[in-house]
Amino acid sequence: GAVVSQHPSRVICKSGTSVKIECRSLDFQATTMFWYRQFPKQSLMLMATSNEGSKATYEQGVEKDKFLINHASLTLSTLTVTSAHPEDSSFYICSAETGGAFWETQYFGPGTRLLVL
Amino acid sequence: AQSVSQHNHHVILSEAASLELGCNYSYGGTVNLFWYVQYPGQHLQLLLKYFSGDPLVKGIKGFEAEFIKSKFSFNLRKPSVQWSDTAEYFCAVSQAAGNKLTFGGGTRVLVKP
Repeated sequence: GAVVSQHPSRVICKSGTSVKIECRSLDFQATTMFWYRQFPKQSLMLMATSNEGSKATYEQGVEKDKFLINHASLTLSTLTVTSAHPEDSSFYICSAETGGAFWETQYFGPGTRLLVL
Repeated sequence: AQSVSQHNHHVILSEAASLELGCNYSYGGTVNLFWYVQYPGQHLQLLLKYFSGDPLVKGIKGFEAEFIKSKFSFNLRKPSVQWSDTAEYFCAVSQAAGNKLTFGGGTRVLVKP
């Protein structure tokens, strides 16, 4: 149980285009989902927290107009990288948990590798 | 803001050797502590977690970690590693009343058969 999927697993796009990444909880309802970014040989950095039906909360330094997050249902959150540039190339990972309490375990997706040319 | 540091970036050891990975955090309040593992080509998986109670926590696959509050540390240990323990290990911390995780830089462990 507690499987989280991401689609696509990798994407290559041209500079200036927008890319949408989906994060799905396959066998549980995720009240809260998190989006992380991981640069090569670095750790995961939290970008934003999204709760179903409400606006995402972005971490300091993350442009909310650049990284649009939608958590429209209890099993799906999407991250759209708008007007992507080469510096947005990275590994994007989502996680999901069933509630918002601190004792909840986050279940991670396999990640999406984005390359912007 | 809290931060998490893992002292070793790379560790190479032979099968049956003992493993200890260091993790220190900087936050004065009550914290929740986690160790995650990422096997090659796979997603992050939870090894173990500490919220309260016994500071010695046992996790899956023979791993354990000890929370030493006075040292702000949560080191991961395994008495005898196997080749299948080759992976990257991440320490993470959240504040007691929150659920946002701050990750350490990760430690790549290579176990030679």
